[in-house]
Amino acid sequence: DSGVTQTPKHLITATGQRVTLRCSPRSGDLSVYWYQQSLDQGLQFLIQYYNGEERAKGNILERFSAQQFPDLHSELNLSSLELGDSALYFCASSFRMEPPDTQYFGPGTRLTVL
Amino acid sequence: AQKVTQAQTEISVVEKEDVTLDCVYETRDTTYYLFWYKQPPSGELVFLIRRNSFDEQNEISGRYSWNFQKSTSSFNFTITASQVVDSAVYFCALSEAGSNDYKLSFGAGTTVTVRA
Repeated sequence: DSGVTQTPKHLITATGQRVTLRCSPRSGDLSVYWYQQSLDQGLQFLIQYYNGEERAKGNILERFSAQQFPDLHSELNLSSLELGDSALYFCASSFRMEPPDTQYFGPGTRLTVL
Repeated sequence: AQKVTQAQTEISVVEKEDVTLDCVYETRDTTYYLFWYKQPPSGELVFLIRRNSFDEQNEISGRYSWNFQKSTSSFNFTITASQVVDSAVYFCALSEAGSNDYKLSFGAGTTVTVRA
């Protein structure tokens, strides 16, 4: 158990819908990262937050957004869902950003868009 | 451009055999960190090791060992005396200290199947 929690574990929804994925980092960790794992793209970095502020964006679609709250938990919002958004979404946390710190991953949320 | 290459897509071995996973990386940074993660069939990503670019010492942890060679930009991982529980997908990843995000750039992964 990494100490990072993600809910829900599974999510099945329809095209055009909006969902919210939730992540609680390890106790004391300030940095949260979101990654998407799909069969065709592999593991891809989406977005990073540090102590409540957005620090970097990767291959994140405009239909996706995220935020980190004062208690450091984070939410990833996916809207206007398409079939291609079906993937495993991971949250990871680390204590600090620099130097590149070890990122501990949550169990993931498996999203299925029908 | 692919920063981390894991050329082996799948490896199948019989229990107790040794298995070596190759990882080749590409970066212009002088300071970077390399990682290995394990993804068992249950799906979670489990951290195995973090190594910085200035530490070229090989490391051994139980049946796991890592060989870091800066000259060939490789960070290979060996499982000695493999067990069925080692069956998983293994990912090598790179994080560059010169970047502004410290994200992990992952390789495509190597699926290891250990047969009893």
